[in-house]
Amino acid sequence: GENVEQHPSTLSVQEGDSAVIKCTYSDSASNYFPWYKQELGKRPQLIIDIRSNVGEKKDQRIAVTLNKTAKHFSLHITETQPEDSAVYFCAASRYSSASKIIFGSGTRLSIRP
Amino acid sequence: DGGITQSPKYLFRKEGQNVTLSCEQNLNHDAMYWYRQDPGQGLRLIYYSQIVNDFQKGDIAEGYSVSREKKESFPLTVTSAQKNPTAFYLCASSTLLAGGNNEQFFGPGTRLTVL
Repeated sequence: GENVEQHPSTLSVQEGDSAVIKCTYSDSASNYFPWYKQELGKRPQLIIDIRSNVGEKKDQRIAVTLNKTAKHFSLHITETQPEDSAVYFCAASRYSSASKIIFGSGTRLSIRP
Repeated sequence: DGGITQSPKYLFRKEGQNVTLSCEQNLNHDAMYWYRQDPGQGLRLIYYSQIVNDFQKGDIAEGYSVSREKKESFPLTVTSAQKNPTAFYLCASSTLLAGGNNEQFFGPGTRLTVL
């Protein structure tokens, strides 16, 4: 069935360094790839998304890249700050019928002071 | 906080009892979803609904039931047939615009504990 694999499951980086989280998807018809951030005890919230007609998208310190041929997409966080500590989920879906979004298993990111 | 609410925040259930988790949204979203979150396992889809009076099974529907009598409401019942129901349950909603931004908005969640 459709699957999204996410790596690593945990990531610890020094404050100010960059963090990269990688995902692969199995459904070649997927064309919408959102990333959600879930802080401890809170609900997941969308932080950035990318559609298949774009290879890269940036929003201040965060960026997402997409390689449709390889079915890979990645989240890049630069100049990490303590408030970046959270669990991050990637996801994939077909936005023409976006009822079913497949989530990755999550990455727990910790920022060391 | 996004116009989607869940209640209660914490719920305790004895084995063999059915419980119903509430989810309400005032965002005029067509689609609503229920996810289960266990430590280290991400978000697993239980049920989803695109329109009133219609819903589809997700990946882990066994032991759960839903209804969608109103656009705003999508309650989830955890039945006694669910063998391991202790988990954090998240409800979400989204629009269904083809080619549009179908961001999922999540509720605050309900933590269910079976005693």
